[in-house]
Amino acid sequence: GIQVEQSPPDLILQEGANSTLRCNFSDSVNNLQWFHQNPWGQLINLFYIPSGTKQNGRLSATTVATERYSLLYISSSQTTDSGVYFCGSNAGNMLTFGGGTRLMVKP
Amino acid sequence: NAGVMQNPRHLVRRRGQEARLRCSPMKGHSHVYWYRQLPEEGLKFMVYLQKENIIDESGMPKERFSAEFPKEGPSILRIQQVVRGDSAAYFCASSPLQGFKAKETQYFGPGTRLLVL
Repeated sequence: GIQVEQSPPDLILQEGANSTLRCNFSDSVNNLQWFHQNPWGQLINLFYIPSGTKQNGRLSATTVATERYSLLYISSSQTTDSGVYFCGSNAGNMLTFGGGTRLMVKP
Repeated sequence: NAGVMQNPRHLVRRRGQEARLRCSPMKGHSHVYWYRQLPEEGLKFMVYLQKENIIDESGMPKERFSAEFPKEGPSILRIQQVVRGDSAAYFCASSPLQGFKAKETQYFGPGTRLLVL
């Protein structure tokens, strides 16, 4: 099955800083999603982005399907951005998730 | 996320008891997926169901775990004779399209946190 790897595994930022999170996947996919798991454990859909670029406020994502990676950009980070960011991709029935990037934004 | 409902949100069981987790998909969605998240890990697929059918259970443990999605009512994930290693967050997701050709987002519920004492 598909392998999904995320980097970096951990990231500490000062409030206001920018960051880039990466998701590599091992095969062609139909679906690529980014999620934010907040400190209360809830999974928040950020982007559905099998290819191309999307933006939503301070967040944007780019997927280059031919090179099998996706990037999540967080600009002007806030403490509420803290949590774990997961990417998930599928070529079949299920999403395969990466191990996540654990982000801590310090005030 | 809005619309996928799971209950209970928290469940405590003693070893050997049964755990029943419920998931109501978003309105109009007939495809349900269950995922398990062990502490400090990512989510792992367990099972994919449509109404009255199990489509893919390749991620489901062979024993003690079962899932159903009846014609009426929520999808149920059932864990019999729970052990401490079953302690995890169990997430349900739904989508409106058939899984293997899915090009649509899977929408996740808030999860059920199971603690086995």
